[in-house]
Amino acid sequence: GAGVSQSPSNKVTEKGKDVELRCDPISGHTALYWYRQSLGQGLEFLIYFQGNSAPDKSGLPSDRFSAERTGGSVSTLTIQRTQQEDSAVYLCASSLELTSGRASYNEQFFGPGTRLTVL
Amino acid sequence: QKEVEQNSGPLSVPEGAIASLNCTYSDRGSQSFFWYRQYSGKSPELIMSIYSNGDKEDGRFTAQLNKASQYVSLLIRDSQPSDSATYLCAFRNSGNTPLVFGKGTRLSVIA
Repeated sequence: GAGVSQSPSNKVTEKGKDVELRCDPISGHTALYWYRQSLGQGLEFLIYFQGNSAPDKSGLPSDRFSAERTGGSVSTLTIQRTQQEDSAVYLCASSLELTSGRASYNEQFFGPGTRLTVL
Repeated sequence: QKEVEQNSGPLSVPEGAIASLNCTYSDRGSQSFFWYRQYSGKSPELIMSIYSNGDKEDGRFTAQLNKASQYVSLLIRDSQPSDSATYLCAFRNSGNTPLVFGKGTRLSVIA
């Protein structure tokens, strides 16, 4: 089956412009996550969706960042007034949240990422 | 603050040897543990998940979990040059919480 897809794969923009990044999760996956990875760094959590709601937005670095998810499927991450420090690879992951007793089984699968370069 | 500690490496092993990657985590409430492999310029790829104490084997990979010691490891048997990548350890609590990732260990398998 199809995996997580993201578009565009690469985005070069000028400082101050707005950008929109898109994520299409694996069909049927209820949870969707956005992370970013700067050069040589680990993965930084940004925001998480369960269905269309975002229970955890704690990782968004500033109010220039926002995200939405519609129809329990596609999500867009918007960065307004981009800055050079926003340059990174933005990764989306999805998972099928399964709970059995007290345990949650929730393997996350990543898309190929969007490489954002802010000049 | 939930944290994951990994040796950044590089860890160099000869082809055919066993590569041992280690990870410690700070949150005693963690219940789910994952190992991802990330090739340079690519996104992370899930290779193992483990939820219970003990060993879990999948092909050449064995994950080991010790919740009392807050320690998880990944063994790669018969290492191949194609195993050369960065290996990321991650964990999460029960419930709907995002993964907490380590910064990864870079593995180099020398032919």
